[in-house]
Amino acid sequence: EPEVTQTPSHQVTQMGQEVILRCVPISNHLYFYWYRQILGQKVEFLVSFYNNEISEKSEIFDDQFSVERPDGSNFTLKIRSTKLEDSAMYFCASSLRRGEAGGRQFFGPGTRLTVL
Amino acid sequence: TQLLEQSPQFLSIQEGENLTVYCNSSSVFSSLQWYRQEPGEGPVLLVTVVTGGEVKKLKRLTFQFGDARKDSSLHITAAQPGDTGLYLCAGAEAGGGADGLTFGKGTHLIIQP
Repeated sequence: EPEVTQTPSHQVTQMGQEVILRCVPISNHLYFYWYRQILGQKVEFLVSFYNNEISEKSEIFDDQFSVERPDGSNFTLKIRSTKLEDSAMYFCASSLRRGEAGGRQFFGPGTRLTVL
Repeated sequence: TQLLEQSPQFLSIQEGENLTVYCNSSSVFSSLQWYRQEPGEGPVLLVTVVTGGEVKKLKRLTFQFGDARKDSSLHITAAQPGDTGLYLCAGAEAGGGADGLTFGKGTHLIIQP
């Protein structure tokens, strides 16, 4: 069964550094998402991406975040200047259709980001 | 802001017992998804319910979407230790206004042998 993959599985960085989290969505999917889950808290939506542009973003997704689909297969999340509170699991997801009826989202295994 | 409240937050029962987990909101969702998440892994989709009143079965798991599409339940019959895990409900906003799913905090389920 096709699956979403993410790299790295664990990223440790110093506060203020830039990080790029990478995802390879399911190949025929058209919608891509990033979510985060701070330890012990619920999964929170960050951003959705369709047709090479952001279609929706949450309040969490401020100017320090950006997303890109550089080569038609990878989908990346960049955090420009990491803060301690950015430490979390970051999940990539993809779906064939939009997140409504039928738009089932399939999640990757996550990248655990630790900011020191 | 849409919210999904899951209850109970924690549940520990003996093997063979039945249980029900609830997911409630004051908002209407176009669909509701149930996921299971293992420690250190991403949520794995179990089922999507779309129509108000819909019931779906997955072996010993029965999922129901409320008539008003504001709530859902997950019922497990004859629970087994392999059912232990974190169960999450997540909803897609009605009206096509949002792409992102709204998640509940989850129910931590422990089935003791």
